[in-house]
Amino acid sequence: NAGVMQNPRHLVRRRGQEARLRCSPMKGHSHVYWYRQLPEEGLKFMVYLQKENIIDESGMPKERFSAEFPKEGPSILRIQQVVRGDSAAYFCASSPPGLRQETQYFGPGTRLLVL
Amino acid sequence: AQSVTQPDIHITVSEGASLELRCNYSYGATPYLFWYVQSPGQGLQLLLKYFSGDTLVQGIKGFEAEFKRSQSSFNLRKPSVHWSDAAEYFCAVGASLSGNTGKLIFGQGTTLQVKP
Repeated sequence: NAGVMQNPRHLVRRRGQEARLRCSPMKGHSHVYWYRQLPEEGLKFMVYLQKENIIDESGMPKERFSAEFPKEGPSILRIQQVVRGDSAAYFCASSPPGLRQETQYFGPGTRLLVL
Repeated sequence: AQSVTQPDIHITVSEGASLELRCNYSYGATPYLFWYVQSPGQGLQLLLKYFSGDTLVQGIKGFEAEFKRSQSSFNLRKPSVHWSDAAEYFCAVGASLSGNTGKLIFGQGTTLQVKP
């Protein structure tokens, strides 16, 4: 069973460009979470999605950031008009469906560098 | 509001020595607690978790942690550290949402260095 996959692993963008980060959850998992890790800091929750639904976006910046998890295909975290402060590692995690205590499994992350 | 505190930013221990990494949480209900390890440039690997039941939980790589409700703590321990244990360790609490663990709230992390 393949783990959580994220691509690209590294992404370089110039200020003002768009960044698209992709996350494919583990097989059978329908819950996806995005976290951001700034340099020298812990992970901060951004958004929690299920297929075609945003469940909790309390950690998402109000502007420029959006996330989706379509019926088919990977989850996408999109950052529009990137700024240098967006440089960070972005991690995706997934967990199985259902209202049970479940562990989140993390992907390797996408390291975004904004020049 | 929920929070997790890891009081020690850096810890250095000698190889073969015992290890304890501290974690304190603030959460109104019964917490779901986790320890993850992150090697440089890598993602997070789950070491162990506590949902309910026995308050002493065993994890991978010889790690264990004890949930102490009275102290709001979930400290990670290992009796004998190996050089390969050098990494960053994160404690996290699951902010329960209708039974699902929901979002995880992480501590700032503790960087472990192992001296030969």
